[in-house]
Amino acid sequence: ETGVTQSPTHLIKTRGQQVTLRCSSQSGHNTVSWYQQALGQGPQFIFQYYREEENGRGNFPPRFSGLQFPNYSSELNVNALELDDSALYLCASSLFIGTDTQYFGPGTRLTVL
Amino acid sequence: SQQGEEDPQALSIQEGENATMNCSYKTSINNLQWYRQNSGRGLVHLILIRSNEREKHSGRLRVTLDTSKKSSSLLITASRAADTASYFCAITGANSKLTFGKGITLSVRP
Repeated sequence: ETGVTQSPTHLIKTRGQQVTLRCSSQSGHNTVSWYQQALGQGPQFIFQYYREEENGRGNFPPRFSGLQFPNYSSELNVNALELDDSALYLCASSLFIGTDTQYFGPGTRLTVL
Repeated sequence: SQQGEEDPQALSIQEGENATMNCSYKTSINNLQWYRQNSGRGLVHLILIRSNEREKHSGRLRVTLDTSKKSSSLLITASRAADTASYFCAITGANSKLTFGKGITLSVRP
């Protein structure tokens, strides 16, 4: 078990709604990354935050946004939910930017109906 | 794309046997990592091998990297039922962004 926690564990939303997912990084880690994992696929990089600033973004539309707080916890916000947003959302923290090993949380399973 | 591609997609072996999983990629890399995922939960980091390394061991795990062939292999020796999981290779790019393959499903029969 890593020290990374995510909430909620499961979430069901309807198309068009907005959702906020939360992540608490492992103690001492100042970098957090978010990934989307569709069923049967590998995780896809959404974006990374370092010291409260976005530091890199994958191929996701602007309705995917994030925040990192001074205590290094993080949020992923998705607006105007679409059916294809149904996936497991994973956050991962690392000790500092440029450290390659990332420690993943258990994920939030989002279902969009 | 830097995406790693694992092979085979699925592997079923008897407990005690060795499991070999392969990963290929297309561009130069800083390092390559292997992760394990149980039942759609979070990923667990297994091992990281840097581009200037050829082989690395960790317990029952052995990873090799051949940068000339742009490929890596993960060997799990003396497999156990608890090794049943999905295994992913990940290429490390800019900003420590990980690019994952689709994964290999390993089933170890008791």
